[in-house]
Amino acid sequence: KQEVTQIPAALSVPEGENLVLNCSFTDSAIYNLQWFRQDPGKGLTSLLLIQSSQREQTSGRLNASLDKSSGRSTLYIAASQPGDSATYLCAGGEHAGGTSYGKLTFGQGTILTVHP
Amino acid sequence: EPEVTQTPSHQVTQMGQEVILRCVPISNHLYFYWYRQILGQKVEFLVSFYNNEISEKSEIFDDQFSVERPDGSNFTLKIRSTKLEDSAMYFCASSGRLSGNTIYFGEGSWLTVV
Repeated sequence: KQEVTQIPAALSVPEGENLVLNCSFTDSAIYNLQWFRQDPGKGLTSLLLIQSSQREQTSGRLNASLDKSSGRSTLYIAASQPGDSATYLCAGGEHAGGTSYGKLTFGQGTILTVHP
Repeated sequence: EPEVTQTPSHQVTQMGQEVILRCVPISNHLYFYWYRQILGQKVEFLVSFYNNEISEKSEIFDDQFSVERPDGSNFTLKIRSTKLEDSAMYFCASSGRLSGNTIYFGEGSWLTVV
């Protein structure tokens, strides 16, 4: 059974700092890994998806990496801004066979606060 | 940008009542999902749905729950005989073709059982 863990649980940084959020997973037979952002009381906004055959993905100031052998993914945020304050979730995707896709196992999230 | 829409955004129901949560997935998506998040806990998978049938379900998704795609646009989650522990945010999600594409989530339906 896949288990996903995120560290740190919370992070507070000054504006402009570069930061790294960590995600680890127990089952290396991961199908893909997806990073989400969640604002308080809101839904999940997809940030980046990394397929199992890929090592990293980039979108703007965000870069996510995937190392299946070590069971780790990182989300790098460059030049952080107060608007980046949110909870960041990583989720490992499974493919159980046939038409069964999209079962994501989530970590508990990292609460990020970027202060001016 | 296309989005997954959910209604209602918030529902309060009495214990033992039936609830239907509604979702309109992104129009060209073929895979549909329900997840839930109990306050302060992780987001949990409930069920995936493809080609008008359940493709996978978690152990949470017991006989109390059912899903339906009644027409070409809606996807519903029915919870029968609600319990206090069913109080949670329920997220609908959808994804595209068969390649593990990005899963897009709705804003959620917050269910409070009293």
